[in-house]
This record gives sequence, structure tokens and C-alpha cells, in this order.
Amino acid sequence: EVQLVESGGGLVQPGRSLRLSCAASGFTFDDYALHWVRQAPGKGLEWVSGISWHSNTVDYADSVRGRFTISRDNAKNSLYLQMNSLRLEDTALYYCAKGGSGSPRGGWFDSWGQGTLVTVSS
Amino acid sequence: QSVLTQPPSVSGAPGQRITISCTGSNSNIGAGYDVHWYQQLPGTAPKFLIRGNNNRPSGVPDRFSGSKSGTSASLAITVLQAEDEATYYCQSYDSSLSGTVFGGGTKLTVL
Repeated sequence: EVQLVESGGGLVQPGRSLRLSCAASGFTFDDYALHWVRQAPGKGLEWVSGISWHSNTVDYADSVRGRFTISRDNAKNSLYLQMNSLRLEDTALYYCAKGGSGSPRGGWFDSWGQGTLVTVSS
Repeated sequence: QSVLTQPPSVSGAPGQRITISCTGSNSNIGAGYDVHWYQQLPGTAPKFLIRGNNNRPSGVPDRFSGSKSGTSASLAITVLQAEDEATYYCQSYDSSLSGTVFGGGTKLTVL
């Protein structure tokens, strides 16, 4: 059974940094792309970033490009999201999602974690 | 505003059939990128429902089906049940944005 467990969320002031982690199990981790998707309170889903199985292809939403960095450690079956220069509008539940193939482009998300809440507030 | 446009809400009575539209453009659906669908029950993570326009993962009832034509796609749910009450999202890839895009979500109410 695929399991994705996010951690690292919390309350942070605007302009500060936070690092999210996602621990994966139940599948061959280095065969698949991984993504971060967020959902602001009461709002819809917003894709944040995706990374290929070998980390060679990385994509970002315009809203986070230049501030967020996605990475993965295939030896530790873990996905990360380094979030810098956080803004009020980054407040959301952040989900880790497994892609359906090794590329982050064009595929589906077949497994999701339960999310970790990031609150940006002064 | 979302790159993919969905109606904010739809409703139907138990046993009826409903459809949810997802309208894109020539840089996403119209460019040939597949459309995928998700169901999100209140307070839970999204659940994978349809991949590649009209392929159901194992465990998803055949009451759910998808289609795609031109720059649009649709999700159909037949024999509507109370447990289908949820928010549904379409998703695709956009070549102009070089990233994944979601629709704004459609809240289904079973009357």
C-alpha cells in the first residue's frame, strides 16, 4: 500500500522560511515523479511543483518560482519542499502526491498524503 | 482564475446522471495533453478518479466516466448516489506555463 506522510508545517512569519518533508513507502520510490499540491482554506487545489524520478526535470508554478525549491532523496525515499520568502498567500494545506510515471509533465497523481498545514501570519 | 474552467456547482437527484465540464485552451487540453479527474470528500485528501481522459483506476465504480473533445473534457456520473457528494477537480498539463494545472473544482450536491 502506498503511503505518503508529510511533515514540517507550522506557523511562520512573513518573509521567513520553512522546509516540508514527505516520507514515502509502499512503491519503488525512484521510478516515479513526485509533486507538491496545496489547498488554501476553503479554496481549490493548486499545483506547486513537480520533480522527475531522477531530479533532472523540475517544474514550478509561477506563484512560487524563485522562492520554493523542490528536491528528493531517493536513498531515503523522501521528498522535500524548501519554502523561502513566505507570504500570507502561501497559507495552505500542502499535499505530497505521487505521479503516475517518471516524468512530472502530463501525468496524473495516483496517491496523496494527508497534508501538512502551513500558516503564514505575523 | 483557474486555467481550466469548471462550473462551481452541479446537482442531481439519486439515480440521475450528471456531467461536469472542464474547459481549457490550445496550450493544455487542446494541445493533446490528457485530462485527469479527482474526487475530494469534505475534510479529506483528493482521491484519484480518472486518468488519461477515460481510464478508471481499480476500485473506481464504472458509474464514473470521462471524455475529451477539442479543448474540453467532461466527467459523467451515472446512477447518482448520496456518497458521490463531493468536490470534483480536473487536471492537465499546460505547455505555455510549463506546469500542471487544475480546474477550480465543482461541488456536486446530491438532492
